Amino acid sequence: DQQVKQNSPSLSVQEGRISILNCDYTNSMFDYFLWYKKYPAEGPTFLISISSIKDKNEDGRFTVFLNKSAKHLSLHIVPSQPGDSAVYFCAASAGGYQKVTFGIGTKLQVIP
Amino acid sequence: KAGVTQTPRYLIKTRGQQVTLSCSPISGHRSVSWYQQTPGQGLQFLFEYFSETQRNKGNFPGRFSGRQFSNSRSEMNVSTLELGDSALYLCASSSTFTGGDTQYFGPGTRLTVL
Repeated sequence: DQQVKQNSPSLSVQEGRISILNCDYTNSMFDYFLWYKKYPAEGPTFLISISSIKDKNEDGRFTVFLNKSAKHLSLHIVPSQPGDSAVYFCAASAGGYQKVTFGIGTKLQVIP
Repeated sequence: KAGVTQTPRYLIKTRGQQVTLSCSPISGHRSVSWYQQTPGQGLQFLFEYFSETQRNKGNFPGRFSGRQFSNSRSEMNVSTLELGDSALYLCASSSTFTGGDTQYFGPGTRLTVL
């Protein structure tokens, strides 16, 4: 049972344009959401997070939007750069010491 | 600060064998989590240890086990290997593992079961 779903396995975007990566979740107990980026042969690295009490969080070129009623979050990258080409994992946690549940990832390719 | 280290980086084993993977967390981090990454399944949570105690466990068979030492270093063991155990095994450390506490991942151990 995939509680965190990333339905687009891959995405291609032109350099300079906006990249939008989507994530849906089914567990209404999730209250913290994170995005990780992973390059080949490396472990995932933390990118940005958002608490369920917010609907938007920005960090430089990266913005995460949370729509609790739709159980949907998205990661916007503006402008996209070739170095952003990586696999992006959406993750969620129910708080406390609960485990973090990851999606299967979306492979982003930014074309120069 | 040194990052999370995992050894070995690559392993080739045959069915039926057992394997032990090692993870050294970032200094001062007391929580260590293990994940299995496969192409169609993403990152699947195996278990989490904090101060030598297993606090969380994922839905994996008992062949998968782990432990944590007093210096926070952790090992995971897989007994009676199956072909389906071929995967990238990732270790992540964090200071507390509460809610959205950022996890810092190691580069992973690539296990191939023949």
